[in-house]
Amino acid sequence: DAGVTQSPTHLIKTRGQHVTLRCSPISGHKSVSWYQQVLGQGPQFIFQYYEKEERGRGNFPDRFSARQFPNYSSELNVNALLLGDSALYLCATMTGVPTDTQYFGPGTRLTVL
Amino acid sequence: AQSVAQPEDQVNVAEGNPLTVKCTYSVSGNPYLFWYVQYPNRGLQFLLKYITGDNLVKGSYGFEAEFNKSQTSFHLKKPSALVSDSALYFCAVRALDDKIIFGKGTRLHILP
Repeated sequence: DAGVTQSPTHLIKTRGQHVTLRCSPISGHKSVSWYQQVLGQGPQFIFQYYEKEERGRGNFPDRFSARQFPNYSSELNVNALLLGDSALYLCATMTGVPTDTQYFGPGTRLTVL
Repeated sequence: AQSVAQPEDQVNVAEGNPLTVKCTYSVSGNPYLFWYVQYPNRGLQFLLKYITGDNLVKGSYGFEAEFNKSQTSFHLKKPSALVSDSALYFCAVRALDDKIIFGKGTRLHILP
């Protein structure tokens, strides 16, 4: 089975632009979470989706939004990019059972100039 | 407030020696605890987790972790370190609201 996949691998944007990041889960995984990892820090929780509904939201501004599709893949959208949005964006998926393990994708490296 | 603390930014261990990477947590209710490892320019790889049961949990690559409820700790251990264990290690806890909170990470250097 393929692992969690994310696209694109790298992305360079300028301030004020918007970006869409994509995540495809492991087969059978219905829950997708998004994290932001700034250099030198641990991942910070942004969103969790389960069965296409938002299950949790971290402390991020409304410029950040996400959605989950019927095939359980997900998109993270960030509008009005700021320099501080430069980070590694990680997607993690799991079956949906709380005791289950989250498995992470390789991430998308976003650079905002 | 729910939190995870990794008190050491960096741990240096000679190859062949035992290693410990420390983690303490604060969470309401019974915690679900996890350790992940991150290699340069890669995502996080799952090592092990504690849900319930035996306080000593065995995971991938010879790692293990000990859950200590009274000390609210979940330290990662390995009896004999390898140079290839050098990486960034993250402790994480899943709270009642299903959010996963990560520590800031500990960089492990194994010296040949």
